[in-house]
Amino acid sequence: NAGVTQTPKFQVLKTGQSMTLQCAQDMNHEYMSWYRQDPGMGLRLIHYSVGAGITDQGEVPNGYNVSRSTTEDFPLRLLSAAPSQTSVYFCASSYSTRESEQFFGPGTRLTVL
Amino acid sequence: RKEVEQDPGPFNVPEGATVAFNCTYSNSASQSFFWYRQDCRKEPKLLMSVYSSGNEDGRFTAQLNRASQYISLLIRDSKLSDSATYLCVVNHNAGKSTFGDGTTLTVKP
Repeated sequence: NAGVTQTPKFQVLKTGQSMTLQCAQDMNHEYMSWYRQDPGMGLRLIHYSVGAGITDQGEVPNGYNVSRSTTEDFPLRLLSAAPSQTSVYFCASSYSTRESEQFFGPGTRLTVL
Repeated sequence: RKEVEQDPGPFNVPEGATVAFNCTYSNSASQSFFWYRQDCRKEPKLLMSVYSSGNEDGRFTAQLNRASQYISLLIRDSKLSDSATYLCVVNHNAGKSTFGDGTTLTVKP
């Protein structure tokens, strides 16, 4: 099993550009989520999904879109990048929404100039 | 006030020391509780779940006090390899997880 994979590992964008961060898992997990982590801070939830076709907003959803057309994939789209979106982005998956361990991808380090 | 608050740290301790981290949460509807470990610039990984009865895994002991909405992690006989950031995580019934900002531990020879 590859677990949770994320691409790209690093990305530099200019203000106003759009891009999609990819996330995939091969553990047949229903629950997937996207977090951002700023320096010296914990992870903040951007969007999450409890199954294919179902998504919901987390704590900091503005400026991001998600979709979940398959169980395996959960891409995060930045609509119009801003310097405030410079951060490390982690995707995670888990078997259920309550009791289960979350498995994280290696992260995408995004810089917006 | 943040929904999950941790000791700000950092904690700098010698090898062999015992160190305790504290975490409080404000949402009384929280369902499950965890400690994750994060090494520098890496993804978080589960250290242990936290149960109401308290639980132990080798040198690590986690405790939960639902009445006080308080979670703790005790590390005994600290090793150099324990140096990391420890994240307190609270799961809610709606499917959301809330992370604390983390407490950084440095164990020195």
